Amino acid sequence: QQQVKQSPQSLIVQKGGISIINCAYENTAFDYFPWYQQFPGKGPALLIAIRPDVSEKKEGRFTISFNKSAKQFSLHIMDSQPGDSATYFCAASPGSSASKIIFGSGTRLSIRP
Amino acid sequence: GAVVSQHPSWVICKSGTSVKIECRSLDFQATTMFWYRQFPKQSLMLMATSNEGSKATYEQGVEKDKFLINHASLTLSTLTVTSAHPEDSSFYICSAPEGPGNEQFFGPGTRLTVL
Repeated sequence: QQQVKQSPQSLIVQKGGISIINCAYENTAFDYFPWYQQFPGKGPALLIAIRPDVSEKKEGRFTISFNKSAKQFSLHIMDSQPGDSATYFCAASPGSSASKIIFGSGTRLSIRP
Repeated sequence: GAVVSQHPSWVICKSGTSVKIECRSLDFQATTMFWYRQFPKQSLMLMATSNEGSKATYEQGVEKDKFLINHASLTLSTLTVTSAHPEDSSFYICSAPEGPGNEQFFGPGTRLTVL
């Protein structure tokens, strides 16, 4: 059972545009929602994360929007740059130190110059 | 942020041999570490939770006798792929939580190729 659904599978955005990736979750016990960026041959790196007590979190060009009632959250990358080209994973976890992180299926983002 | 290392970064082995992959937390202690497997162009799938001083917890469908996990210290977990076969070829990644928010820090991954 896929607990975190992610879309789109791939995305092409022009340089300077806004990249938007969407995720939905099923388990209401999740209370930690991180986004990871992964480059080929590397491990994933935390980009930004949110907890359900806020509806939006912004760090630089990256913003998470969170809709608790709809059980959906999204990543917005403003002013997308070629260096942002990577695979992005949304994820969810109950949040304690021993908790598993459940990953979405990933979005391959390509920023065209 | 905290740093997690893995060794080796890549390994090629013959079918039937065993391969050990190390995961270390370099600047923090981790009573729990996680092992993931990632096939090309796919997501990370959790294989098992490594617990310091006790047995690992395996996800459904993961053979515990094939993927041996040892968490002997607060900074080291090892994954041994026993009697490896070509279908075990994959990218193996570990992670460890650290900090008040229990943020997960991931290692750089180990590329295993079984011939």
